[in-house]
Amino acid sequence: EDQVTQSPEALRLQEGESSSLNCSYTVSGLRGLFWYRQDPGKGPEFLFTLYSAGEEKEKERLKATLTKKESFLHITAPKPEDSATYLCAVQLYSGTYKYIFGTGTRLKVLA
Amino acid sequence: NAGVTQTPKFRILKIGQSMTLQCTQDMNHNYMYWYRQDPGMGLKLIYYSVGAGITDKGEVPNGYNVSRSTTEDFPLRLELAAPSQTSVYFCASRGTSGTYEQYFGPGTRLTVT
Repeated sequence: EDQVTQSPEALRLQEGESSSLNCSYTVSGLRGLFWYRQDPGKGPEFLFTLYSAGEEKEKERLKATLTKKESFLHITAPKPEDSATYLCAVQLYSGTYKYIFGTGTRLKVLA
Repeated sequence: NAGVTQTPKFRILKIGQSMTLQCTQDMNHNYMYWYRQDPGMGLKLIYYSVGAGITDKGEVPNGYNVSRSTTEDFPLRLELAAPSQTSVYFCASRGTSGTYEQYFGPGTRLTVT
């Protein structure tokens, strides 16, 4: 069964304390892996797409990496405004329409 | 450029009532999706559409219906609302080229009592 698992469920960091979020996947064929940020009461906002193992993408304090079984979202020197839920999703080769989402990691960065 | 818009933002329904959640996108995207998000759960696909006149079921279609008469609009119909349909509903769209990311609307929070 195709599955996406995110860990940890929740993470509290002090401002400036770097860490990583994990997204592991078991799918029949990966077309792409996506990271989204979701603020309370809002829709998910696209951050990154990764297509192949070894690929990396960066945006400000965020860097996403991909291996054959998992992806990491590294947060370097986070600020309180980075507090949000981070969602991971995979797009399957079996159907270009289909995306499977993880349950997300709730990140809280304390000043 | 408004992106994906959804109305209403909030709604309370009584059991057995019906309603339509509206979704409009102005990016000329062919693909459109309806998801529901429950606390502690990932986004679950209800229905999707690959273009005007073409729709298909996702993971959790029971109790819902959709139509796609134009590229821009993709309404979701709830018939005979049940408490299990209490959720936050998100509409999303994506294009047919590029990186295939989805663009999401702001959501509709629905409570059925």
